[in-house]
Amino acid sequence: QQQVKQSPQSLIVQKGGISIINCAYENTAFDYFPWYQQFPGKGPALLIAIRPDVSEKKEGRFTISFNKSAKQFSLHIMDSQPGDSATYFCAASIPAAGNKLTFGGGTRVLVKP
Amino acid sequence: EADIYQTPRYLVIGTGKKITLECSQTMGHDKMYWYQQDPGMELHLIHYSYGVNSTEKGDLSSESTVSRIRTEHFPLTLESARPSHTSQYLCASSATLGLPNTEAFFGQGTRLTVV
Repeated sequence: QQQVKQSPQSLIVQKGGISIINCAYENTAFDYFPWYQQFPGKGPALLIAIRPDVSEKKEGRFTISFNKSAKQFSLHIMDSQPGDSATYFCAASIPAAGNKLTFGGGTRVLVKP
Repeated sequence: EADIYQTPRYLVIGTGKKITLECSQTMGHDKMYWYQQDPGMELHLIHYSYGVNSTEKGDLSSESTVSRIRTEHFPLTLESARPSHTSQYLCASSATLGLPNTEAFFGQGTRLTVV
């Protein structure tokens, strides 16, 4: 049972364009939704995270949009740069229950110069 | 840069061998995790620890075992490696709720190949 579904699996965007990655979750007990960025040969690193009490969070060129009623959240990468080429994972957890992350399937983003 | 370290980074080993993957963190985090990741695929939790002498199995069944004798150290052991164990193993840690940061920090991973 895949509790966090992520789409698309891969994405090609031109430099300066917008990358959009979507995730949907099933467990309404989740209350922490991070996005991780992973480069080849490296472990995932936290990019940005949101709690369900806000609908949007922005950090630099990265924005999370959160829709609690639809149980969906998305990552927008504005002004995409070649250095953003990586695999992005959405995740969900319950911090009060151990913060065990349930990950989406990942999106491989390629930003063309 | 997260202060969580995994060794070895790469390991190629024969079937039937016993292996231990090391993971250490210097952040004083009480919670530690092992995730398994096939290339380009999602991460699956295989082991979890709340603190010293506390370990639990994760969502994905694994033949590996773990121990948590010291806060900073969370090794994973395979008693008899098989080709089906070939994968990347990622260790992570996080602080208890209530502290400023619930972020999970990941090590760089151990890529295990069993031949």
